[in-house]
Amino acid sequence: AQSVTQPDIHITVSEGASLELRCNYSYGATPYLFWYVQSPGQGLQLLLKYFSGDTLVQGIKGFEAEFKRSQSSFNLRKPSVHWSDAAEYFCAVAQLYSGGGADGLTFGKGTHLIIQP
Amino acid sequence: AAGVIQSPRHLIKEKRETATLKCYPIPRHDTVYWYQQGPGQDPQFLISFYEKMQSDKGSIPDRFSAQQFSDYHSELNMSSLELGDSALYFCASSLGTGGSTDTQYFGPGTRLTVL
Repeated sequence: AQSVTQPDIHITVSEGASLELRCNYSYGATPYLFWYVQSPGQGLQLLLKYFSGDTLVQGIKGFEAEFKRSQSSFNLRKPSVHWSDAAEYFCAVAQLYSGGGADGLTFGKGTHLIIQP
Repeated sequence: AAGVIQSPRHLIKEKRETATLKCYPIPRHDTVYWYQQGPGQDPQFLISFYEKMQSDKGSIPDRFSAQQFSDYHSELNMSSLELGDSALYFCASSLGTGGSTDTQYFGPGTRLTVL
């Protein structure tokens, strides 16, 4: 079965510092990978996605992610974080259920990002 | 831009009661997905619909059912509610073939509390 691992439950960075959130996936075929952000009590907002092509993808809010097949990773990066980036970040993979069709996402457990002043 | 609308935003029910959650997808989106997110947990896929037909099922309990209507809105019906059903229920919608590459846009969620 497909799975997503986010090794870091919590990460604390100083405002203005760079950020990297790790995501590893287990998937037999070409994965469809996503990063979502969730503020407390809010819905999930799509940051970026990877389907194919250029392995470095740009997203909203200055985020980017790099797909590395050899490492089964899809890490999220931002060169300089802002206090408003404090939130829960979820990596997800599109999972194929039997019969095809509209595939539900499989999420990692999430990484809680804390920004220090 | 219009987003996914979910109603109600908050719902409190007693054990063994029933609940109905509604989802209105982004205009022209033809695919709806339902997810359940327990406290401190990641969202778990429940079920999806494409063009008003059930498409895929995830970890949806037998006590739950859902459907998509002719106007593409969807309803999640939950019966014999249990304490463990307390969670945030997300609906997402997408436009396309109903496949893996469709980007899912999430609604704000319905917070269900079962007492």
